[in-house]
Amino acid sequence: DIQMTQSPSSLSASVGDRVTITCRASQSISSYLNWYQQKPGKAPKLLIYAASSLQSGVPSRFSGSGSGTDFTLTISSLQPEDFATYYCQQSFSTPRTFGQGTNLEIK
Amino acid sequence: QVQLVQSGVEVKKPGASVKVSCKASGYTFTSYGISWVRQAPGQGLEWMGWISPNNGNTNYAQNLQGRVTMTTDTSTSTAYMELRSLRSDDTAVYYCARVLVVAAANWFDPWGQGTLVTVSS
Repeated sequence: DIQMTQSPSSLSASVGDRVTITCRASQSISSYLNWYQQKPGKAPKLLIYAASSLQSGVPSRFSGSGSGTDFTLTISSLQPEDFATYYCQQSFSTPRTFGQGTNLEIK
Repeated sequence: QVQLVQSGVEVKKPGASVKVSCKASGYTFTSYGISWVRQAPGQGLEWMGWISPNNGNTNYAQNLQGRVTMTTDTSTSTAYMELRSLRSDDTAVYYCARVLVVAAANWFDPWGQGTLVTVSS
């Protein structure tokens, strides 16, 4: 199975900050990497697919990059509604696997 | 709009079975796969498997093989996930999600609202 490791596991930031979350795969997954946002008590929501494609309706302050084993999710200017948990997920092979999550909290 | 609506809360005893439904609307049901993902309380996301409503093909996570069955009813655009021999560590919120595929890339969108399954004696 491909292991996905996110860093940091938790992060405190302020509104307006630029934030970067990293996801590393245990083997190369090309660009088969997706990012999801989850708020408490809600289902995950797709933000970025295929490493860098912004899902329709997602604000342009979200961006993704990377290929191979190393990927990043960047939020250019944090808004109050962005405080949530973020997960990366590989779609290169089965079983599909997720990172452990990054909890983004208000400083 | 594309929507997946899941069945309600379930409380089961250890050793019992549970069957969760996921009704799709707003798209052609047989054109997209459905994956199931679960989330134990306070934990991360675990992929359980996938089914193609078009032909019934399935792919299950190895740790659930023999206990899980995913099916679909194309007449009602509904997917089902049955988990047997329930244990306390099966307590989780269970999600269904539509699988979109472009070339070899694929992702989950949208997700159902989740179904809480509690296993307790």
